[in-house]
Amino acid sequence: AQKVTQAQTEISVVEKEDVTLDCVYETRDTTYYLFWYKQPPSGELVFLIRRNSFDEQNEISGRYSWNFQKSTSSFNFTITASQVVDSAVYFCALNGIKAAGNKLTFGGGTRVLVKP
Amino acid sequence: SAVISQKPSRDICQRGTSLTIQCQVDSQVTMMFWYRQQPGQSLTLIATANQGSEATYESGFVIDKFPISRPNLTFSTLTVSNMSPEDSSIYLCSVGVNLNNEQFFGPGTRLTVL
Repeated sequence: AQKVTQAQTEISVVEKEDVTLDCVYETRDTTYYLFWYKQPPSGELVFLIRRNSFDEQNEISGRYSWNFQKSTSSFNFTITASQVVDSAVYFCALNGIKAAGNKLTFGGGTRVLVKP
Repeated sequence: SAVISQKPSRDICQRGTSLTIQCQVDSQVTMMFWYRQQPGQSLTLIATANQGSEATYESGFVIDKFPISRPNLTFSTLTVSNMSPEDSSIYLCSVGVNLNNEQFFGPGTRLTVL
């Protein structure tokens, strides 16, 4: 079975602070994909990143960066110099190819509130 | 990426009625999925919509309550039957892009049952 845990239910920061969202996963698959999605108040899910299990390189995209640590089964997400528009719920998700056949298992989500 | 639209975007329905939600994709895709997001909760997979055959339902979801159609590779519908207030949720369809294993989501249908 697959499982994704986002221990932080809500994080509140002041604008320009950095914020790191934790994601820990469990899977028996050796080949799997990890995702982060953003859900603003409008409700739409916005795809942010996909990472496969064989690529442990960290990635940076603008103010966003991701740290994939296979040894600790974690895929953490950092927003640098946060802005009010970053306020949203962020979901980490896992797709184990053999076990799940492209079905995503979502974590519980972390609500980020960025105050001006 | 795929562009996905859903209709309706939101609805308010009476208890005991049914609502059919449509999902349209701008390109042919093999896999389409339906998710439910209850208020303040994460997303839960309802079923995989299979083209030309019956949908594959996850544990806790049954065809009588959530019938799904998938007449072709660009379109699917989800019906929420005999609704109760507990069915108030956002319903999202998603598509899987096989080669890149990416999944994209529609804008969602926000359903309120009175």
